[in-house]
Amino acid sequence: DVKVTQSSRYLVKRTGEKVFLECVQDMDHENMFWYRQDPGLGLRLIYFSYDVKMKEKGDIPEGYSVSREKKERFSLILESASTNQTSMYLCASSFFGVGQPQHFGDGTRLSIL
Amino acid sequence: GDSVTQMEGPVTLSEEAFLTINCTYTATGYPSLFWYVQYPGEGLQLLLKATKADDKGSNKGFEATYRKETTSFHLEKGSVQVSDSAVYFCALGVYGGSQGNLIFGKGTKLSVKP
Repeated sequence: DVKVTQSSRYLVKRTGEKVFLECVQDMDHENMFWYRQDPGLGLRLIYFSYDVKMKEKGDIPEGYSVSREKKERFSLILESASTNQTSMYLCASSFFGVGQPQHFGDGTRLSIL
Repeated sequence: GDSVTQMEGPVTLSEEAFLTINCTYTATGYPSLFWYVQYPGEGLQLLLKATKADDKGSNKGFEATYRKETTSFHLEKGSVQVSDSAVYFCALGVYGGSQGNLIFGKGTKLSVKP
């Protein structure tokens, strides 16, 4: 089975801190994705990557950056955390190509105080 | 542009009732279609998929048929259980950009009462 592992299930940080969310997949997938999920808004794509060191902006990239130094690892960085970034963050991975399903981690519930 | 519209919830049913969650889409080309399920406190799990017109995806008693003529991919189950309580997402696999991006509906919360 595909395994997508997010480093933390719950995280509490303070306003202004730099926050790192880590995601690792074990299926040699080319694509990796970061979403945030908020009540009433569904899933919104923050960033995605289709290869090592490659990244593309999603729908809501402001206030975030990403890093993909190795194929299996995709990190989401909140440069200076703000309270409006309190949310559930979901990482996903997939093979390259239309019709490929994405496989999700269990999510990180991040609270910014 | 490409989009997915699914029925708003929440949907509340009694155990053993019939379930339908509607999903319609707008897309260019021939998209792939997916249903995902999210149980409380967890990430999304792939429930079923269909890659071409008239394909039927099925899993765990759930079914959905890819209807090109009505641009729909409705999720059905003949007899729901309490354990089916979750949020269900319809998703569309699109062409262009990075191959592998999905467009998700907003989700439909299902509660099944004993």
